[in-house]
Amino acid sequence: DGGITQSPKYLFRKEGQNVTLSCEQNLNHDAMYWYRQDPGQGLRLIYYSQIVNDFQKGDIAEGYSVSREKKESFPLTVTSAQKNPTAFYLCATASDTRLNYGYTFGSGTRLTVV
Amino acid sequence: AQSVAQPEDQVNVAEGNPLTVKCTYSVSGNPYLFWYVQYPNRGLQFLLKYITGDNLVKGSYGFEAEFNKSQTSFHLKKPSALVSDSALYFCAVRISGGGADGLTFGKGTHLIIQP
Repeated sequence: DGGITQSPKYLFRKEGQNVTLSCEQNLNHDAMYWYRQDPGQGLRLIYYSQIVNDFQKGDIAEGYSVSREKKESFPLTVTSAQKNPTAFYLCATASDTRLNYGYTFGSGTRLTVV
Repeated sequence: AQSVAQPEDQVNVAEGNPLTVKCTYSVSGNPYLFWYVQYPNRGLQFLLKYITGDNLVKGSYGFEAEFNKSQTSFHLKKPSALVSDSALYFCAVRISGGGADGLTFGKGTHLIIQP
């Protein structure tokens, strides 16, 4: 998972709390992505960003927010509006927006609601 | 729209036997196809990709995949399975020339190699 740091590895959230998941990369990649992984459902796209100060909603953006103030960083906030946030969250980067080389993934953050 | 189907939730293979993990896709243009592997509580690791050219693609750890346009398939194969190949495998697709709105992933196939 070299070059992409996701933190924390495990995160526990109480009902009604907002939490922020960190994703930092030193690969100098332009594009960054957040996916949610649930058992048996594969990976679903939450948000993506192709360039600093710009981001787009993915398939399941409701209850999530992001920012892209620096090229290296793409934090994901899970808000209290997300009713079922327990999942494994993966951050990915791509060196080119045409995805000729696919993604590089971080090691993930497991979020649990307690 | 683009989609990927992995029809098997789990594949069981004896060590030393050949393995196949199936993937079919649906896109409106020419596909870029990828295989990734995931070990427990880890991110996904790239195995191989098809962009253009030879239909048989060779990748990491002895894996290969064959692109079949008429059957819209991109099955992952290995001639001789190892216990260490046991993991969760994902097929992914995007349309060539499309925007950077990401890859679409299948639901994953658990590969279990029995000693």
